[in-house]
Amino acid sequence: GNSVTQMEGPVTLSEEAFLTINCTYTATGYPSLFWYVQYPGEGLQLLLKATKADDKGSNKGFEATYRKETTSFHLEKGSVQVSDSAVYFCALSDGGLTGGGNKLTFGTGTQLKVEL
Amino acid sequence: DTGVSQDPRHKITKRGQNVTFRCDPISEHNRLYWYRQTLGQGPEFLTYFQNEAQLEKSRLLSDRFSAERPKGSFSTLEIQRTEQGDSAMYLCASSLAATGRNNEQFFGPGTRLTVL
Repeated sequence: GNSVTQMEGPVTLSEEAFLTINCTYTATGYPSLFWYVQYPGEGLQLLLKATKADDKGSNKGFEATYRKETTSFHLEKGSVQVSDSAVYFCALSDGGLTGGGNKLTFGTGTQLKVEL
Repeated sequence: DTGVSQDPRHKITKRGQNVTFRCDPISEHNRLYWYRQTLGQGPEFLTYFQNEAQLEKSRLLSDRFSAERPKGSFSTLEIQRTEQGDSAMYLCASSLAATGRNNEQFFGPGTRLTVL
């Protein structure tokens, strides 16, 4: 079945540091890949996505590139801010190949703490 | 605000009681998903609807769980004879499934269930 593995947290960084959160996946076919973010007390929000190999998703200074050869979708940001403190989830959708419509399969989440 | 809404936001109940949660999706969205998220884990797929039809249920969804979407708009998730293991955040998401669309899912804030 489909699965997503992401690095365990918490990740603690100083403001303006470079961020990488690793994500690898196992899936049927050619899935779409997503990063969702969950700020304290709020619901999941889509941060960025990529739907095919070599696509780069980007939003709010975050980027991730769909690497089919390494089955990876690592999240990066060049300079983090305190306001980026949140839990980040990597997820995939196989377009219904394994049922469930376009259900999402999530990783366990990585908590990011950014300090001044 | 025309996002996904869920009610209640928090529910505390005693073991053995029945609970019902409601989800109101984005109005034009025809797909509605339920997920469950336990502490320190990513959301896990429970079930989904296309319009009023429930098309798939995860093996996570025991016989004590039932979901409906009677008019293809709002949905309810009922848990009968709650157990302490049911304590979790229950998330609802909606999407517009149409040819050529990317089927992006929008999440509600969740209902946090605590079973004492």
